[in-house]
Formats: sequence, structure tokens, C-alpha cells
Amino acid sequence: KAGVTQTPRYLIKTRGQQVTLSCSPISGHRSVSWYQQTPGQGLQFLFEYFSETQRNKGNFPGRFSGRQFSNSRSEMNVSTLELGDSALYLCATASGAGVEEQFFGPGTRLTVL
Amino acid sequence: DQQVKQNSPSLSVQEGRISILNCDYTNSMFDYFLWYKKYPAEGPTFLISISSIKDKNEDGRFTVFLNKSAKHLSLHIVPSQPGDSAVYFCAASPQGAQKLVFGQGTRLTINP
Repeated sequence: KAGVTQTPRYLIKTRGQQVTLSCSPISGHRSVSWYQQTPGQGLQFLFEYFSETQRNKGNFPGRFSGRQFSNSRSEMNVSTLELGDSALYLCATASGAGVEEQFFGPGTRLTVL
Repeated sequence: DQQVKQNSPSLSVQEGRISILNCDYTNSMFDYFLWYKKYPAEGPTFLISISSIKDKNEDGRFTVFLNKSAKHLSLHIVPSQPGDSAVYFCAASPQGAQKLVFGQGTRLTINP
């Protein structure tokens, strides 16, 4: 079974730009969650989607948004990038049937200059 | 407000001995707990989990213990192997929510 894939793996942007990251879940997984990892804040939950609906949301500003498609693939978008948005963005997927372990992708390393 | 805390940023253990990683939480609404292992430049890998209705769960060399009254969980690795060297994160999930709250991680180093 193929794992969680994230594209691109690395991205360099400048302040003020916007960025879109993509996540393809494990086959059969309908829940997709996004996390931000930074040295100072650790791993922080951004949001979770299930069947194209946002079910849970973390404490991030509105510049961070996401969506999920009918094939369960998900994208997250960050607008008006700030230097502090430089981080590893991780996607995690699960079947969504209940509370269960999530399986993580390798992440997208975003650098904002 | 750090709801999940791993107070030891690093731990060094000799190969073959027991590694014990600790985690404390403050939110009584957490009812599912997980441990993840992370290598540099990779996403976290799921290790083991425990529901709040249990106090122990074993999987091979890994055992997780949950003490609900103390709001404390620990991960025991026996015997420790060099390949276990990584950063270990504990995570907790609130009741009914597919949302993980992570600790800051503990870097485990297994010395030969």
C-alpha cells in the first residue's frame, strides 16, 4: 500500500507571496490533517478534513486555509507569507472511522525569504 | 499553554538497556494517546497507542503505560537498539476529535 505523499518536498518563497501544498492520502483514508512543525513551537495542528468538510481547526490565522477533494486529496494554502511561516508542513491521514493513529507524509519544507 | 509536555529534551541510554520516555498532559478531555518516532527530514512514524480505558499496551519491544490520575504516560523500550535513536513525540487526542496535540519531543540516543 502506498504511503502518504506530499508535493512539493521543498519550496522557497518570498514574503507576501502565497503557496499551495498538496497531500495524497493512503488509499481508503478519508481523513486528512495538516500540521506545522517549527523549532520553537513544535508540531501544531492546523486543520482536519473528512469527506470534503473541515471537521477540526487549530489556532492559526485565516491566512492558512485548506480544502479536500472528492478523491480525498487535500491542499493547504498560505497567503501573504511571513518569515515566521517557514516550517515543515506535515500531512497525516487516517480512515476517519474514529479516533485512531494517523499516518504522516514526509512533509513539505517551506522557506520564506 | 502547553497541554502535552515532554520535560526531557534528550535522553541517552546504553544499547541493550531500557529506555523510558515520559510525557505529562493537563487536559482531562484527552482520551487517546500515541507515541511517534521521527527521523530528520521524515514525517513522524506511528509506534504505539493507548486508549484511556486501558493502563498498559504492549507491542514487541515497546510498552506504553498510562496513569490517568497523574495525567502521565510513559514509553518503555526494551531492549534499546541503535536504530531506536530518534526524536520521540507523545501526542494526545481529545474525545471524539481527529486532532493530535503533540509534546515538544525527546531526542533519544542509544550508545553502543
